Amino acid sequence: DGGITQSPKYLFRKEGQNVTLSCEQNLNHDAMYWYRQDPGQGLRLIYYSQIVNDFQKGDIAEGYSVSREKKESFPLTVTSAQKNPTAFYLCASSSPGRMNTEAFFGQGTRLTVV
Amino acid sequence: GQQVMQIPQYQHVQEGEDFTTYCNSSTTLSNIQWYKQRPGGHPVFLIQLVKSGEVKKQKRLTFQFGEAKKNSSLHITATQTTDVGTYFCAGNFNKFYFGSGTKLNVKP
Repeated sequence: DGGITQSPKYLFRKEGQNVTLSCEQNLNHDAMYWYRQDPGQGLRLIYYSQIVNDFQKGDIAEGYSVSREKKESFPLTVTSAQKNPTAFYLCASSSPGRMNTEAFFGQGTRLTVV
Repeated sequence: GQQVMQIPQYQHVQEGEDFTTYCNSSTTLSNIQWYKQRPGGHPVFLIQLVKSGEVKKQKRLTFQFGEAKKNSSLHITATQTTDVGTYFCAGNFNKFYFGSGTKLNVKP
């Protein structure tokens, strides 16, 4: 089954700890994205990567870091510098360069920092 | 930077009533996409519009792309409880900039 997988679905962490959210896709997509969604809010872009070993900051990159060592994987680390990390995090992938591309989303990870 | 604004933020309708959400971009879009997110779920792609003035239909859903390719709308005719969710537009600036979404609640 082709798709995009995020794990875990729910994650609890203590304040001050770094935490890494996993995102894996087997769709052979070049581009991957991380979004943050707060209750009743839209999707805000954290980081995106259009090719392996390259990534760019989105609108709210402060306090987050990513890596793109493999085409299939785009993990997001929420660092202790992120002031309000509790949120729903969504990973997506797409095939850029094609006009009829669409974003495929994972199921999301709900992070709660206590 | 690119911005995609969406209104209204919330809409509560009685089942059977119509619903419309509007999306406006600060810059010309190459295309626009619409997604639906069910409560507790993740966004799922509905449709993409590419041409100026394009209109597409999916059963009770009608999608329009403005002549200037800066605005778009999604209209649902005779809403059903299965239409409940948040509808997002997304301008494809190579980064999928999403609108703030319109949360639709349908009362049976």
